Amino acid sequence: AQTVTQSQPEMSVQEAETVTLSCTYDTSESDYYLFWYKQPPSRQMILVIRQEAYKQQNATENRFSVNFQKAAKSFSLKISDSQLGDAAMYFCCTYSGGGADGLTFGKGTHLIIQP
Amino acid sequence: DAGITQSPRYKITETGRQVTLMCHQTWSHSYMFWYRQDLGHGLRLIYYSAAADITDKGEVPDGYVVSRSKTENFPLTLESATRSQTSVYFCASSGGSYNEQFFGPGTRLTVL
Repeated sequence: AQTVTQSQPEMSVQEAETVTLSCTYDTSESDYYLFWYKQPPSRQMILVIRQEAYKQQNATENRFSVNFQKAAKSFSLKISDSQLGDAAMYFCCTYSGGGADGLTFGKGTHLIIQP
Repeated sequence: DAGITQSPRYKITETGRQVTLMCHQTWSHSYMFWYRQDLGHGLRLIYYSAAADITDKGEVPDGYVVSRSKTENFPLTLESATRSQTSVYFCASSGGSYNEQFFGPGTRLTVL
């Protein structure tokens, strides 16, 4: 079984600043994927970024980047130049397939953007 | 419109009643999923389907039934609703087991 831990229930950052959301996970699988999903007040789940575990290079999507530390089983999300529209719940997820399909979610981090 | 839709968006029912939540996707994705979202738990997988007529249990399947006779539809039925099934339910689809999952808008279900 996989587990995902997000140790920060809530984070606050000033607009235009940088914030890092933490995530650790545990899996016995050798091949897996990691995701960050964003859930704004509209409730819609939106993919922010994904990382294949076999890739050493950290994924980047515009202002969003990850720090993937495979040995430490850590997958943090960095948001640069925070914008008001970034305010949302952020969920860290793992996926390993292999008959146990479906994402395993952390409990989420509520990100507040201070204007 | 293309995408993934869920109906109804909101539902109030009573304990013991049968409720069916609908999910429809237009991408012909092979994989479809049902999750529930509760405060303090994030999202948890209820059931998933790798193709039409193939379904399997997730983390929290008790009290739920699914079917998938057509690729595009994946209904979730609560055979006898209980208060503990009050939740927000999300359907998702994916083109492959390791691909991004696309989520529907969710159904907020209240069981009185």
